[in-house]
Amino acid sequence: QVQLVQSGTEVKKPGASVKVSCKASGYTFTSYYVHWVRQPPGQGLEWMAMINFNSGVTTYAQNFQGRVTMTRDTSTSTVYMDLTSLRSEDTAVYYCARSGPAVDSWGQGTLVTVSS
Amino acid sequence: QPVLTQSSSASASLGSSVKLICTLSSGHSSYIIAWHQQRPGKAPRYLMKLEGSGSYNKGSGVPDRFSGSSSGADRSLTISNLQSEDEADYYCETWDTNTRVFGGGTKLTVL
Repeated sequence: QVQLVQSGTEVKKPGASVKVSCKASGYTFTSYYVHWVRQPPGQGLEWMAMINFNSGVTTYAQNFQGRVTMTRDTSTSTVYMDLTSLRSEDTAVYYCARSGPAVDSWGQGTLVTVSS
Repeated sequence: QPVLTQSSSASASLGSSVKLICTLSSGHSSYIIAWHQQRPGKAPRYLMKLEGSGSYNKGSGVPDRFSGSSSGADRSLTISNLQSEDEADYYCETWDTNTRVFGGGTKLTVL
């Protein structure tokens, strides 16, 4: 079955960077996109970025341009999200998700807390 | 890019039915959407993909009580025979070439 398994909780100081991973299994990776979606405490879902797993081409939401980088490692079927210049407003649960074309599978989420 | 509008909250009694609506912005009324359920403290779960024709495809394991329908720019999720475990936030999602959009979510309370 499709599984997206994310890395664990992170606590970072303002100005630092965080890298979250998402390991995929149970499907043909090159046929789907993978996305990062975040959810601040008590708020809704916000799309951040996506990667074509086959080509490696990325697209970023305007709100995160210049601060987020999404990469993939085809040998381990893992996708990464790098977010720089962290601020308190970046405190959220970060989800990876698969789409083809609708999002149809979600990772379990990674809590990133930004606090001094 | 498309915008999705959802009511912030809804409520219905145990065993009854409820219809949640997601409205596409002007110029995007033909778009396909997806519905997701998020129970408290859990990751979202894909429920179904819903086309403008009203045709829908549910995810694996989604109960028959969940159905979809469309009318113009409105995409609806109907839950019949409401159960306590249906109390959750429900999000709609759509996409364009270089973007993906989520509605603000509807918090469903089962009375």
